[in-house]
Amino acid sequence: EDQVTQSPEALRLQEGESSSLNCSYTVSGLRGLFWYRQDPGKGPEFLFTLYSAGEEKEKERLKATLTKKESFLHITAPKPEDSATYLCAFAGGTSYGKLTFGQGTILTVHP
Amino acid sequence: DGGITQSPKYLFRKEGQNVTLSCEQNLNHDAMYWYRQDPGQGLRLIYYSQIVNDFQKGDIAEGYSVSREKKESFPLTVTSAQKNPTAFYLCASSPGARGTGELFFGEGSRLTVL
Repeated sequence: EDQVTQSPEALRLQEGESSSLNCSYTVSGLRGLFWYRQDPGKGPEFLFTLYSAGEEKEKERLKATLTKKESFLHITAPKPEDSATYLCAFAGGTSYGKLTFGQGTILTVHP
Repeated sequence: DGGITQSPKYLFRKEGQNVTLSCEQNLNHDAMYWYRQDPGQGLRLIYYSQIVNDFQKGDIAEGYSVSREKKESFPLTVTSAQKNPTAFYLCASSPGARGTGELFFGEGSRLTVL
């Protein structure tokens, strides 16, 4: 069965303390692995798409990487404004929009 | 500005009532989706539409209905048959009939059943 699991469920960091979020997935025929950021009471905002093992994408303090079984979202020197829930999702089948989402990691960065 | 507009933002319903959530997009996207989000859970797909006048069930379609009469609009009706309708509902769109995985989400509608 296709599934995705994120860990940890919640992560508290001090400002400037780098860390990584994990997304483990099981899918037959991965079409894409996606990361989204969600602020409280808002809709998710797209961050990255990864298509194949070894691929990396960067945006400001965030870097996403992909292996055959996991994806990591590395956060370097985080700031309080990076506090949010980070969701990963994968696409399988014929429609990229039919994403299967993980439960998310709630990141809190303290000043 | 282009985007997705969901309304209402908050909605209260009595048991046994049907309610309709509005979703409008001006991004000229072909594909539109409805997801449900519950605390501590990932988003779950309710319905999706790749073209006008066509839509498919997602993973949790029971108790919900949709229509796609216009490219810009994809309303969701939560019927009285939905056993646990209290949740945060998110509408999204994506360019291309099959989508790209880059979903553009609305601000969401929070439904509470009293």
